[in-house]
Amino acid sequence: SSELTQDPAVSVALGQTVRITCQGDSLRSYYATWYQQKPGQAPVLVIYAGNNRPSGIPDRFSVSNAGNTASLTITGAQAEDEADYYCNSRDSSGNQLVFGGGTKLTVL
Amino acid sequence: QVTLRESGPALVKPTQTLTLTCTFSGFSLNTNDICVSWIRQPPGKALEWLARIDWDDDKYYSTSLKTRLTISKDTSKNQVVLTMTNMDPVDTATYYCARTRRGYSFGFVFDYWGQGALVTVSS
Repeated sequence: SSELTQDPAVSVALGQTVRITCQGDSLRSYYATWYQQKPGQAPVLVIYAGNNRPSGIPDRFSVSNAGNTASLTITGAQAEDEADYYCNSRDSSGNQLVFGGGTKLTVL
Repeated sequence: QVTLRESGPALVKPTQTLTLTCTFSGFSLNTNDICVSWIRQPPGKALEWLARIDWDDDKYYSTSLKTRLTISKDTSKNQVVLTMTNMDPVDTATYYCARTRRGYSFGFVFDYWGQGALVTVSS
């Protein structure tokens, strides 16, 4: 079982804002990193600590942290944002890397 | 340009040992703070981190699979090898290798991924 918990599914209307959350005790100590995965493709790094985005990732993706919860916010969701999103961080021991169970985002 | 490619058998029998090779280019595993991880994904399920090898040859394994996994690197060949013993049908998954970058301000990020290799465990 994962030490990071995500809602299995979230939906958002086109152009609206959506927040995807990731909960876990280790997030009180470590940043979460977020990955996007579209069907049949390998995951892609979307954003990590301090709102760092790789080249080519639009700035409508942002992150925030509060207590044991990390959040990925998409401001003005686009059709191409429909995908599975996974959070990743260290576990409580700091030695393991763990993924959340993933959130399927549907853009209506 | 950073690329990674997984290779290995597409089909293994139960109880056999799986050996997967990650061949990469565009970076060196001799560079500080550069690592390579293995991650798998059963069909229709979530990602699962398996193991990581660091530039200084430190190795880390998933607690739940630690007794079955071995990770190693050959920097001269730009390759990382993962072996998993005693394969079972529940190990059927797409196996990915990913360049992993360590930063004191952000922890670890998987910034480049291979395309993945589907491994089916069946008799």
